[in-house]
Amino acid sequence: KQEVTQIPAALSVPEGENLVLNCSFTDSAIYNLQWFRQDPGKGLTSLLLIQSSQREQTSGRLNASLDKSSGRSTLYIAASQPGDSATYLCAVGGGSGYSTLTFGKGTMLLVSP
Amino acid sequence: SAVISQKPSRDICQRGTSLTIQCQVDSQVTMMFWYRQQPGQSLTLIATANQGSEATYESGFVIDKFPISRPNLTFSTLTVSNMSPEDSSIYLCSAGQGLGYEQYFGPGTRLTVT
Repeated sequence: KQEVTQIPAALSVPEGENLVLNCSFTDSAIYNLQWFRQDPGKGLTSLLLIQSSQREQTSGRLNASLDKSSGRSTLYIAASQPGDSATYLCAVGGGSGYSTLTFGKGTMLLVSP
Repeated sequence: SAVISQKPSRDICQRGTSLTIQCQVDSQVTMMFWYRQQPGQSLTLIATANQGSEATYESGFVIDKFPISRPNLTFSTLTVSNMSPEDSSIYLCSAGQGLGYEQYFGPGTRLTVT
């Protein structure tokens, strides 16, 4: 059974800091990994998609890396802003016998001005 | 990318009643999914909505409780039947073009059962 763990569960930082969110998964036979953002009471916004053959993806101040063999991904946020405050979810696509996304419980980020 | 809308955005329902949630995608997609997010929890997949055939349900979810329709490549409905307070959750629709493709999510339907 694919299991996804996100560390830390919550993070509070002052504006301007660079930060790293961690995601680990138990079954490395994945086809992709996706990072999402969720604002309170809202749906999910896709941030980055990394295919299993890729090592990293970048979008603006966000950079996501993938080490499939060790079952790890990181989301790096540069120069954090208060508008980055949200819950960040890691979702893994696939794993032996799985064809859909398995989600972690998320990291709740608060960036204070 | 795909833009997904859901109706209603929220509802308060009485125990024992049913609610049907609609999901509309702005373009044809291969795959559509329904997820549940219980308070303070992450997302759990309910089922994959298959066009023209019965949905594929995950362990712990059954068709009698969560009937799903998908009449075409852009639209799906999820019904939450015979509701109890334990069904109070956010229900999210998502869509994508298949394995390995990006998956997009709707804004969710916040359901409260009293």
